[in-house]
Amino acid sequence: AQSVAQPEDQVNVAEGNPLTVKCTYSVSGNPYLFWYVQYPNRGLQFLLKYITGDNLVKGSYGFEAEFNKSQTSFHLKKPSALVSDSALYFCAVRRSNDYKLSFGAGTTVTVRA
Amino acid sequence: DAGITQSPRHKVTETGTPVTLRCHQTENHRYMYWYRQDPGHGLRLIHYSYGVKDTDKGEVSDGYSVSRSKTEDFLLTLESATSSQTSVYFCASQGDLEYEQYFGPGTRLTVT
Repeated sequence: AQSVAQPEDQVNVAEGNPLTVKCTYSVSGNPYLFWYVQYPNRGLQFLLKYITGDNLVKGSYGFEAEFNKSQTSFHLKKPSALVSDSALYFCAVRRSNDYKLSFGAGTTVTVRA
Repeated sequence: DAGITQSPRHKVTETGTPVTLRCHQTENHRYMYWYRQDPGHGLRLIHYSYGVKDTDKGEVSDGYSVSRSKTEDFLLTLESATSSQTSVYFCASQGDLEYEQYFGPGTRLTVT
């Protein structure tokens, strides 16, 4: 079985401040980890992924995420948030030998001007 | 983004009627998926396909069936719609050589 937990339903930050969205996962074997973003009334857009190698991965729109195997975490970060980053963020995991993703419940990010 | 379209984009139907949602992709992706999105649950997998005529159940498959007669099309059918199936439905696809899935714009289904 595999699962993802996003412990915060909402994250509120001021524009220009650092943004962190938390994700922990549970999966047997090697995990493939993903972050997606959803803007209102839109589909999910891929942000970044961890497959193997460097624990710090960089993605679209200035986002990055750090894979921590010992803590089974994959937190999403952005050094300086923008109002346009306000959206719903999903963390997802799958096993390396499987093609089915499991998603977290999502975290709503609000960046205030 | 991968070329994935869904139709219809919005639908209102009555309890007990059959409903079919269509997903069409132009990327020649092998894998296709149907999810439903509900507040507090994220996205949950309904069914998926790993090739033409090859499909399998996801975690919330009761009341749904799928068909894939061509690589580019993946149909989701609600045999007899219920109010609990009111949701936003997303289709996704993934190629053999890719790790991530690409999502369509979604279909908002309301069952009255």
